[in-house]
Amino acid sequence: DAGVIQSPRHEVTEMGQEVTLRCKPISGHDYLFWYRQTMMRGLELLIYFNNNVPIDDSGMPEDRFSAKMPNASFSTLKIQPSEPRDSAVYFCASRSSGYSGNTIYFGEGSWLTVV
Amino acid sequence: AQSVTQLDSQVPVFEEAPVELRCNYSSSVSVYLFWYVQYPNQGLQLLLKYLSGSTLVESINGFEAEFNKSQTSFHLRKPSVHISDTAEYFCAVSQAGTALIFGKGTTLSVSS
Repeated sequence: DAGVIQSPRHEVTEMGQEVTLRCKPISGHDYLFWYRQTMMRGLELLIYFNNNVPIDDSGMPEDRFSAKMPNASFSTLKIQPSEPRDSAVYFCASRSSGYSGNTIYFGEGSWLTVV
Repeated sequence: AQSVTQLDSQVPVFEEAPVELRCNYSSSVSVYLFWYVQYPNQGLQLLLKYLSGSTLVESINGFEAEFNKSQTSFHLRKPSVHISDTAEYFCAVSQAGTALIFGKGTTLSVSS
């Protein structure tokens, strides 16, 4: 069974450019999470969805960040315009609301560098 | 609101020595507790979890953690570490139906 799939794995972009990160959750999972990892702030929850509906976006840093989940098998995190301080690893994760023990499964991450 | 405190940012140990990575949490309601491990340049993998029942939980690679409600702790232990255990370890807490809240992480460095 495929895990959470993220793309791109690595991206280097110039300040001011738009960045789109993509995520395919595990089939059948109805929760999807976006986390950001930096040395300074550790792992931060940005936003999470349940059945494609955003439940909590209080972690989204500012209006430059937006996330969508148009269907159960796809989500995007967009940064427009990007800034150097957005450089981080962005993780997508998913889980099922059924009895999977609340286990959240992570993708391999998208490593973003904004220069 | 929930929060997690990992008391040590770095733990250096020698191979075959015992290790304990400390984790305390704060929550006003019942929670689920997790330890995740992250190897260099990889995503996070579940190591073990406490949901209910026995307060001592074990992983397949020799780690164990004990849920202590009175001390609001969930420390991770291994009696004898290997070089391959070198990684970043994250403690996390959640309530039913919510996201995981992570601690800052503890870097375990095992040397020979």
